[in-house]
Amino acid sequence: GAVVSQHPSRVICKSGTSVKIECRSLDFQATTMFWYRQFPKQSLMLMATSNEGSKATYEQGVEKDKFLINHASLTLSTLTVTSAHPEDSSFYICSASKPGYEQYFGPGTRLTVT
Amino acid sequence: RKEVEQDPGPFNVPEGATVAFNCTYSNSASQSFFWYRQDCRKEPKLLMSVYSSGNEDGRFTAQLNRASQYISLLIRDSKLSDSATYLCAVNGGAGGSYIPTFGRGTSLIVHP
Repeated sequence: GAVVSQHPSRVICKSGTSVKIECRSLDFQATTMFWYRQFPKQSLMLMATSNEGSKATYEQGVEKDKFLINHASLTLSTLTVTSAHPEDSSFYICSASKPGYEQYFGPGTRLTVT
Repeated sequence: RKEVEQDPGPFNVPEGATVAFNCTYSNSASQSFFWYRQDCRKEPKLLMSVYSSGNEDGRFTAQLNRASQYISLLIRDSKLSDSATYLCAVNGGAGGSYIPTFGRGTSLIVHP
Protein backbone atom coordinates (compact mmCIF):
# COMPACT_ATOMS: atom_id res chain seq x y z
CA GLY A 1 0.00 0.00 0.00
CA ALA A 2 0.88 3.64 -0.20
CA VAL A 3 3.30 5.06 2.30
CA VAL A 4 3.01 8.39 4.00
CA SER A 5 5.79 9.67 6.18
CA GLN A 6 5.62 12.32 8.83
CA HIS A 7 8.40 14.21 10.53
CA PRO A 8 9.17 14.65 13.33
CA SER A 9 7.54 11.78 15.16
CA ARG A 10 7.82 13.51 18.47
CA VAL A 11 8.56 17.08 19.45
CA ILE A 12 8.72 18.95 22.72
CA CYS A 13 8.76 22.70 22.56
CA LYS A 14 8.39 25.65 24.83
CA SER A 15 5.25 27.73 24.95
CA GLY A 16 5.31 30.53 22.41
CA THR A 17 7.51 28.80 19.87
CA SER A 18 6.46 27.49 16.48
CA VAL A 19 6.67 23.92 15.29
CA LYS A 20 6.62 22.65 11.72
CA ILE A 21 5.41 19.17 10.87
CA GLU A 22 6.04 17.64 7.46
CA CYS A 23 3.88 15.11 5.71
CA ARG A 24 5.17 13.33 2.64
CA SER A 25 3.48 10.97 0.26
CA LEU A 26 6.28 8.62 -0.73
CA ASP A 27 4.93 6.59 -3.60
CA PHE A 28 1.99 8.40 -5.10
CA GLN A 29 1.03 11.93 -5.94
CA ALA A 30 -1.46 13.13 -3.41
CA THR A 31 -3.78 15.77 -4.74
CA THR A 32 -5.28 16.10 -1.31
CA MET A 33 -3.83 15.77 2.14
CA PHE A 34 -5.64 16.03 5.41
CA TRP A 35 -4.48 17.13 8.81
CA TYR A 36 -6.03 15.68 11.94
CA ARG A 37 -5.60 16.17 15.63
CA GLN A 38 -6.35 13.52 18.19
CA PHE A 39 -6.46 14.06 21.92
CA PRO A 40 -6.10 11.06 24.24
CA LYS A 41 -9.04 8.68 24.00
CA GLN A 42 -10.78 11.01 21.58
CA SER A 43 -11.67 10.60 17.93
CA LEU A 44 -9.73 11.94 15.01
CA MET A 45 -10.68 15.55 14.45
CA LEU A 46 -10.18 16.91 10.97
CA MET A 47 -8.42 20.23 11.13
CA ALA A 48 -8.00 21.11 7.49
CA THR A 49 -7.91 19.86 3.95
CA SER A 50 -4.79 20.69 2.05
CA ASN A 51 -4.94 20.87 -1.75
CA GLU A 52 -1.81 21.14 -3.80
CA GLY A 53 -1.33 24.61 -5.19
CA SER A 54 -4.25 26.22 -3.40
CA LYS A 55 -5.19 27.44 0.03
CA ALA A 56 -6.14 24.94 2.66
CA THR A 57 -9.73 24.60 3.75
CA TYR A 58 -10.05 24.76 7.51
CA GLU A 59 -12.73 23.15 9.60
CA GLN A 60 -14.90 25.29 11.78
CA GLY A 61 -13.16 26.32 14.94
CA VAL A 62 -9.64 25.80 13.62
CA GLU A 63 -7.64 29.02 13.46
CA LYS A 64 -5.97 29.30 10.09
CA ASP A 65 -3.50 31.87 11.36
CA LYS A 66 -2.39 29.56 14.12
CA PHE A 67 -2.21 26.37 12.09
CA LEU A 68 -0.48 27.30 8.87
CA ILE A 69 -0.70 24.76 6.09
CA ASN A 70 1.37 24.72 2.95
CA HIS A 71 0.95 22.15 0.20
CA ALA A 72 3.62 23.19 -2.24
CA SER A 73 3.90 19.94 -4.16
CA LEU A 74 1.96 16.75 -4.79
CA THR A 75 4.10 14.93 -2.26
CA LEU A 76 4.58 17.40 0.57
CA SER A 77 2.30 19.25 2.93
CA THR A 78 3.45 21.07 6.04
CA LEU A 79 1.59 22.11 9.16
CA THR A 80 3.09 24.85 11.29
CA VAL A 81 1.72 25.35 14.76
CA THR A 82 2.52 28.97 15.51
CA SER A 83 2.97 30.33 19.02
CA ALA A 84 2.24 26.95 20.50
CA HIS A 85 0.63 26.69 23.91
CA PRO A 86 0.19 23.71 26.24
CA GLU A 87 -3.39 23.21 25.05
CA ASP A 88 -1.97 22.55 21.56
CA SER A 89 -0.28 19.43 22.88
CA SER A 90 -1.79 16.59 20.93
CA PHE A 91 -1.21 13.86 18.38
CA TYR A 92 -1.16 15.36 14.90
CA ILE A 93 -1.70 12.99 12.01
CA CYS A 94 -1.69 13.66 8.30
CA SER A 95 -3.18 11.55 5.60
CA ALA A 96 -3.01 11.47 1.86
CA SER A 97 -5.39 10.13 -0.68
CA LYS A 98 -6.60 10.20 -4.21
CA PRO A 99 -10.20 11.43 -4.42
CA GLY A 100 -12.65 8.73 -3.45
CA TYR A 101 -10.01 6.32 -2.27
CA GLU A 102 -8.97 5.26 1.16
CA GLN A 103 -6.81 7.40 3.37
CA TYR A 104 -3.20 6.52 4.03
CA PHE A 105 -2.04 7.93 7.30
CA GLY A 106 1.33 9.14 8.37
CA PRO A 107 2.69 7.74 11.63
CA GLY A 108 1.73 10.90 13.50
CA THR A 109 3.58 13.57 15.41
CA ARG A 110 3.23 13.78 19.15
CA LEU A 111 3.55 17.42 20.17
CA THR A 112 4.15 18.40 23.75
CA VAL A 113 4.22 22.09 24.60
CA THR A 114 5.71 22.91 27.98
CA ARG B 1 -27.08 13.96 14.78
CA LYS B 2 -23.40 13.32 14.21
CA GLU B 3 -22.37 12.45 10.67
CA VAL B 4 -20.79 9.16 11.62
CA GLU B 5 -21.59 7.40 14.85
CA GLN B 6 -20.08 4.41 16.55
CA ASP B 7 -20.58 2.80 19.90
CA PRO B 8 -17.32 3.62 21.73
CA GLY B 9 -17.43 0.38 23.73
CA PRO B 10 -15.27 -1.06 25.05
CA PHE B 11 -16.27 -4.47 23.81
CA ASN B 12 -14.63 -6.97 26.12
CA VAL B 13 -14.64 -10.48 24.63
CA PRO B 14 -12.80 -13.75 25.19
CA GLU B 15 -10.46 -15.23 22.65
CA GLY B 16 -12.33 -17.11 19.98
CA ALA B 17 -15.47 -15.03 20.27
CA THR B 18 -17.28 -13.42 17.39
CA VAL B 19 -17.87 -9.70 17.73
CA ALA B 20 -19.66 -7.20 15.52
CA PHE B 21 -19.51 -3.44 15.31
CA ASN B 22 -21.90 -1.11 13.59
CA CYS B 23 -21.35 2.38 12.29
CA THR B 24 -24.19 4.63 11.18
CA TYR B 25 -23.84 7.57 8.82
CA SER B 26 -26.18 10.45 8.15
CA ASN B 27 -25.29 11.46 4.60
CA SER B 28 -27.30 9.25 2.27
CA ALA B 29 -25.16 10.36 -0.68
CA SER B 30 -21.99 8.88 0.82
CA GLN B 31 -20.02 6.86 -1.67
CA SER B 32 -17.06 5.20 -0.02
CA PHE B 33 -16.81 3.32 3.22
CA PHE B 34 -13.85 1.96 5.13
CA TRP B 35 -12.84 0.32 8.36
CA TYR B 36 -9.56 1.29 10.01
CA ARG B 37 -7.75 -0.16 12.95
CA GLN B 38 -5.91 2.10 15.39
CA ASP B 39 -3.58 0.78 18.04
CA CYS B 40 -2.83 2.85 21.10
CA ARG B 41 -0.69 5.90 20.29
CA LYS B 42 -0.39 4.89 16.66
CA GLU B 43 -1.91 6.10 13.43
CA PRO B 44 -5.01 4.44 11.95
CA LYS B 45 -4.32 1.77 9.39
CA LEU B 46 -6.72 0.61 6.74
CA LEU B 47 -8.32 -2.68 7.64
CA MET B 48 -10.67 -3.03 4.71
CA SER B 49 -12.85 -1.16 2.31
CA VAL B 50 -16.56 -1.86 2.42
CA TYR B 51 -18.25 -2.77 -0.83
CA SER B 52 -21.93 -2.73 -1.63
CA SER B 53 -22.01 -6.50 -1.99
CA GLY B 54 -20.17 -7.07 1.25
CA ASN B 55 -16.68 -8.39 1.46
CA GLU B 56 -14.64 -10.77 3.51
CA ASP B 57 -10.97 -10.91 4.36
CA GLY B 58 -10.06 -13.89 6.47
CA ARG B 59 -11.77 -13.55 9.83
CA PHE B 60 -13.11 -10.10 8.97
CA THR B 61 -16.37 -9.42 7.16
CA ALA B 62 -17.62 -5.98 6.23
CA GLN B 63 -21.11 -5.15 5.08
CA LEU B 64 -22.93 -2.09 3.87
CA ASN B 65 -26.62 -1.42 4.35
CA ARG B 66 -27.51 1.64 2.32
CA ALA B 67 -31.21 1.53 3.17
CA SER B 68 -30.50 1.82 6.87
CA GLN B 69 -27.29 3.79 6.38
CA TYR B 70 -24.88 1.71 8.33
CA ILE B 71 -21.81 -0.39 7.82
CA SER B 72 -20.76 -3.29 9.94
CA LEU B 73 -17.60 -5.17 10.79
CA LEU B 74 -17.69 -8.75 11.98
CA ILE B 75 -14.64 -10.38 13.52
CA ARG B 76 -14.71 -14.14 13.93
CA ASP B 77 -12.45 -16.22 16.14
CA SER B 78 -11.08 -13.16 17.95
CA LYS B 79 -7.38 -13.10 18.75
CA LEU B 80 -5.61 -11.22 21.49
CA SER B 81 -3.91 -9.23 18.76
CA ASP B 82 -7.28 -7.94 17.55
CA SER B 83 -7.43 -5.67 20.60
CA ALA B 84 -7.50 -2.15 19.20
CA THR B 85 -9.84 0.68 18.32
CA TYR B 86 -11.79 0.23 15.12
CA LEU B 87 -12.72 3.36 13.23
CA CYS B 88 -15.22 3.59 10.46
CA ALA B 89 -14.81 6.21 7.76
CA VAL B 90 -17.28 7.52 5.25
CA ASN B 91 -16.62 9.84 2.35
CA GLY B 92 -18.15 11.18 -0.77
CA GLY B 93 -21.52 12.78 -1.04
CA ALA B 94 -23.41 15.61 -2.65
CA GLY B 95 -21.13 17.79 -4.69
CA GLY B 96 -18.49 15.08 -4.85
CA SER B 97 -16.96 15.81 -1.49
CA TYR B 98 -14.14 13.40 -0.77
CA ILE B 99 -13.48 14.63 2.70
CA PRO B 100 -13.56 11.57 4.92
CA THR B 101 -15.52 11.61 8.12
CA PHE B 102 -14.47 9.29 10.88
CA GLY B 103 -16.43 7.82 13.70
CA ARG B 104 -14.95 8.13 17.16
CA GLY B 105 -13.98 4.48 17.13
CA THR B 106 -15.04 1.35 18.93
CA SER B 107 -12.62 -0.12 21.43
CA LEU B 108 -12.18 -3.89 21.39
CA ILE B 109 -10.44 -5.80 24.16
CA VAL B 110 -9.86 -9.49 23.61
CA HIS B 111 -8.88 -11.34 26.75
CA PRO B 112 -7.51 -14.86 27.29
